[in-house]
Amino acid sequence: QKEVEQDPGPLSVPEGAIVSLNCTYSNSAFQYFMWYRQYSRKGPELLMYTYSSGNKEDGRFTAQVDKSSKYISLFIRDSQPSDSATYLCATGWGQNFVFGPGTRLSVLP
Amino acid sequence: GAGVSQSPSNKVTEKGKDVELRCDPISGHTALYWYRQSLGQGLEFLIYFQGNSAPDKSGLPSDRFSAERTGGSVSTLTIQRTQQEDSAVYLCASSSGTGVFREQYFGPGTRLTVT
Repeated sequence: QKEVEQDPGPLSVPEGAIVSLNCTYSNSAFQYFMWYRQYSRKGPELLMYTYSSGNKEDGRFTAQVDKSSKYISLFIRDSQPSDSATYLCATGWGQNFVFGPGTRLSVLP
Repeated sequence: GAGVSQSPSNKVTEKGKDVELRCDPISGHTALYWYRQSLGQGLEFLIYFQGNSAPDKSGLPSDRFSAERTGGSVSTLTIQRTQQEDSAVYLCASSSGTGVFREQYFGPGTRLTVT
């Protein structure tokens, strides 16, 4: 079993849709939960991170963590074509980060 | 400000040749990471530097892979006797090395193709 599993996609949605991206992880020692966004031919950039179970909002983005079920989600409201990218979940502790394979999202105008 | 830079951006090499990939981290960042990203795969951790030392080399896939960091700044990842399965995007990231959560800032990557 991989340490972090993620729906591979690709996922195509119309502009304005609500997008739900999900990951599961296996190691209960993981303390941080992150979402990175990666545009084509670019490096990943941190979108959001959280330490605890529950929701964290930042504009149109909401990160949700359920430690009891080891489940991580990212919701994007009012999706825009500029949100088209690959979204990678990541988790870890200290200097140890483990990344999921990423979900490729296309938001169609 | 200047972000993480990597060179070359693209490298095509013949099987069996050696390659060197370079990473310039953000100035002042003490921690530096190398990852490999293959199509459909997540970021595969290769090695982590704190300053010039590498406390964690566990991700290096074989003894053909080595990395060094000098002056607490620039790092070089060397792949000897390249194989076709080494084809991937090699990403470098740096972080400040302080604080409980240490955001990693990524470079644009080097796309390596072994023919």
